[in-house]
Amino acid sequence: AQSVTQLGSHVSVSEGALVLLRCNYSSSVPPYLFWYVQYPNQGLQLLLKYTSAATLVKGINGFEAEFKKSETSFHLTKPSAHMSDAAEYFCAVSPRGGSEKLVFGKGTKLTVNP
Amino acid sequence: NAGVTQTPKFQVLKTGQSMTLQCAQDMNHEYMSWYRQDPGMGLRLIHYSVGAGITDQGEVPNGYNVSRSTTEDFPLRLLSAAPSQTSVYFCASSYSHRASSSYEQYFGPGTRLTVT
Repeated sequence: AQSVTQLGSHVSVSEGALVLLRCNYSSSVPPYLFWYVQYPNQGLQLLLKYTSAATLVKGINGFEAEFKKSETSFHLTKPSAHMSDAAEYFCAVSPRGGSEKLVFGKGTKLTVNP
Repeated sequence: NAGVTQTPKFQVLKTGQSMTLQCAQDMNHEYMSWYRQDPGMGLRLIHYSVGAGITDQGEVPNGYNVSRSTTEDFPLRLLSAAPSQTSVYFCASSYSHRASSSYEQYFGPGTRLTVT
């Protein structure tokens, strides 16, 4: 069975600092991987996705993630945090050919301090 | 396009009551899913559908029923509400892998349910 582990339920950074949110997955074959963002009292919005093309994936709002098969990781980064990045971030995995079933991590709440 | 819509936005139920959460999408997606979100638990899959007339259970199906009579609609029924079903419910839809290389799910705004 597939699973996702997000290290750190809360991450706090200063405005302008590097953002690093960690995600490790467990899957017998390379899956599809996603990062979603959820702002307070809203639904989930796709940040970026890995579907077996380039291993370095660029998303919206300056975020990017790198798929590392050897480390079974898909960490999310942003060089310089902005106050508007404060939100909860979810890493998710789906089997190839199975986009109807996402398995989510437990989420990481990002706080950006002025 | 309206995307994925959910009604109601908020609902309070008493233990034992039944209700239906509505979900509709206008993107002609084959796949639709229901998740619940609880603090510290992420989102967990309740039921999903790969097309009209085809549904299956996810990780946490107990206490919920679904049906899919049309491509557009995927209602979630709570048969006899329990306090443990207090949660935020999200509906999502996506293209099938045969129809598109898009793969991601599109989420509705959610329904916040409280069972007292």
